[in-house]
Amino acid sequence: NAGVTQTPKFQVLKTGQSMTLQCAQDMNHEYMSWYRQDPGMGLRLIHYSVGAGITDQGEVPNGYNVSRSTTEDFPLRLLSAAPSQTSVYFCASSWNTNTEAFFGQGTRLTVV
Amino acid sequence: SQQGEEDPQALSIQEGENATMNCSYKTSINNLQWYRQNSGRGLVHLILIRSNEREKHSGRLRVTLDTSKKSSSLLITASRAADTASYFCATGGIGGTSYGKLTFGQGTILTVHP
Repeated sequence: NAGVTQTPKFQVLKTGQSMTLQCAQDMNHEYMSWYRQDPGMGLRLIHYSVGAGITDQGEVPNGYNVSRSTTEDFPLRLLSAAPSQTSVYFCASSWNTNTEAFFGQGTRLTVV
Repeated sequence: SQQGEEDPQALSIQEGENATMNCSYKTSINNLQWYRQNSGRGLVHLILIRSNEREKHSGRLRVTLDTSKKSSSLLITASRAADTASYFCATGGIGGTSYGKLTFGQGTILTVHP
């Protein structure tokens, strides 16, 4: 049972480049979400999804795009990377917000 | 702004002592959860307490919830060096703009000295 798998684990981008952070879960969870973690800021919600085909914005959505075409996958797209997007990104999934969330191991992104 | 605020930001204790961390939140919640994060790793769920519960135990963990004060506390008894980690509270919203969101606090860094 893999749980929540994030790829890649590390990435360096140049300013202006685009990329997609992958997130996949094998627990048939309806809820999936993306967070970014910066020093001293805790985890901030970027985007979340309550089911396939349904997404919504979190606290810090600007510069990011998501889609949820399947229950298993919830990719996060950086449209035009900026140094301010240097962070550690975590994907999480759960049955709903009344149950525990399972987290991936994170993607450490550096934008130069 | 984030829903949860944690106190203290950092806590340093000796092995065997108890550690208490507090979390305050702003809006009505369905539940409150505590997570642990070891350095450089993902978060691991510790315990969930629902809004109609006042106290919950799991092993050496004890969580209380006071919805009238919009606050929660996590107590780790008889701490061990392996408990060294960051601890986060997270709140699940009950509706409106909070529906579907799990919102985290800034965390408490716990260091347990052998």
